[in-house]
Amino acid sequence: DTGVSQDPRHKITKRGQNVTFRCDPISEHNRLYWYRQTLGQGPEFLTYFQNEAQLEKSRLLSDRFSAERPKGSFSTLEIQRTEQGDSAMYLCASSGLANEQFFGPGTRLTVL
Amino acid sequence: AQKVTQAQTEISVVEKEDVTLDCVYETRDTTYYLFWYKQPPSGELVFLIRRNSFDEQNEISGRYSWNFQKSTSSFNFTITASQVVDSAVYFCALSAANFGNEKLTFGTGTRLTIIP
Repeated sequence: DTGVSQDPRHKITKRGQNVTFRCDPISEHNRLYWYRQTLGQGPEFLTYFQNEAQLEKSRLLSDRFSAERPKGSFSTLEIQRTEQGDSAMYLCASSGLANEQFFGPGTRLTVL
Repeated sequence: AQKVTQAQTEISVVEKEDVTLDCVYETRDTTYYLFWYKQPPSGELVFLIRRNSFDEQNEISGRYSWNFQKSTSSFNFTITASQVVDSAVYFCALSAANFGNEKLTFGTGTRLTIIP
């Protein structure tokens, strides 16, 4: 299966700790997106990469959040000093030129 | 700013009935894309369809069909002869069609339950 993969699938952490998530896109896709989804809501855009360049970052995104895509392949999303309000499902998607975004299974973060 | 409204929060129908999920959108972009995704209980978002704003032809794929009407800013989704496996949350989404501005704006979703 060559779909989008995310690791870990679940993460439980204590408030104030740092966490890092990884996303591996579909191999031929040059665009990679991060979204966040809370219960009962649709996914909300966080940030977007074209190859290794981060083209857009949501204004709603706190400075505690940072994302990288160092070689234009996999991406990492780091949250520093986690807060209980960060608890959510973090979704990664990738697309080629047609902007048909295919999503990974997500990482469910629980901050205690 | 872009906005997607899915006014139906939850719908329940008996198996084999037809059901239509409504989606209304707002955008100032002249060209844009519209999408539908399915999120089954397993949680993974499944891509169903992408439509270009300049292509208003309705589309049919098996039991699924989509009705795009630019005049009313709507992109509705119909499932014919529903099945229990269709039970899921369905999201409508919108993106601009210009490079570098392709993030998806989602609606809040419609939870569809098919009763056997």
